[in-house]
Amino acid sequence: AQSVTQLDSQVPVFEEAPVELRCNYSSSVSVYLFWYVQYPNQGLQLLLKYLSGSTLVESINGFEAEFNKSQTSFHLRKPSVHISDTAEYFCAVRSYNTDKLIFGTGTRLQVFP
Amino acid sequence: KAGVTQTPRYLIKTRGQQVTLSCSPISGHRSVSWYQQTPGQGLQFLFEYFSETQRNKGNFPGRFSGRQFSNSRSEMNVSTLELGDSALYLCASSREWGTGELFFGEGSRLTVL
Repeated sequence: AQSVTQLDSQVPVFEEAPVELRCNYSSSVSVYLFWYVQYPNQGLQLLLKYLSGSTLVESINGFEAEFNKSQTSFHLRKPSVHISDTAEYFCAVRSYNTDKLIFGTGTRLQVFP
Repeated sequence: KAGVTQTPRYLIKTRGQQVTLSCSPISGHRSVSWYQQTPGQGLQFLFEYFSETQRNKGNFPGRFSGRQFSNSRSEMNVSTLELGDSALYLCASSREWGTGELFFGEGSRLTVL
């Protein structure tokens, strides 16, 4: 069965510093990978996705994630964070042979001024 | 284009009661998924519907049920409520079945006393 592990439940960081939110998955078959973001008191929004092709994917607000098949990882990075990036970030995986989208437990990114 | 609408946004019930939550997907979206979100467990998949048929089901007891109507609107029902059912219930829609690209509503926050 597929699973997703987000190793860090909370990541505190100062504004303009770089950040990496870690995500590892397990699956016996090929996968599609996603990052979702949840701002306070809101639902989840798709941040970026890896379906195929280039292993480096980017979002419109400066985040990027790289699919690493050998390490079964899909870490999310941003070179310089803003206060407005404070939110909870969820990694999610769907295997080719199943239609369930499985989420990690989330990482709370707290950006301090 | 209106987003995913969930009603009610907040509700309080007592143990043993039942509750029905409603979800209206984005116009043109035919698939609806439901998730339970709690601080300790994160996002847990409940079920996914497509064209009025349940296509996937998570590992929840039979007290949790759902359905989808011909206009793609969906409801989920929880009977014989328990304290542990207190959670944010999120509905998400997608254009087709099995995609990981979900559009979430803001959720229905259920408190069981």
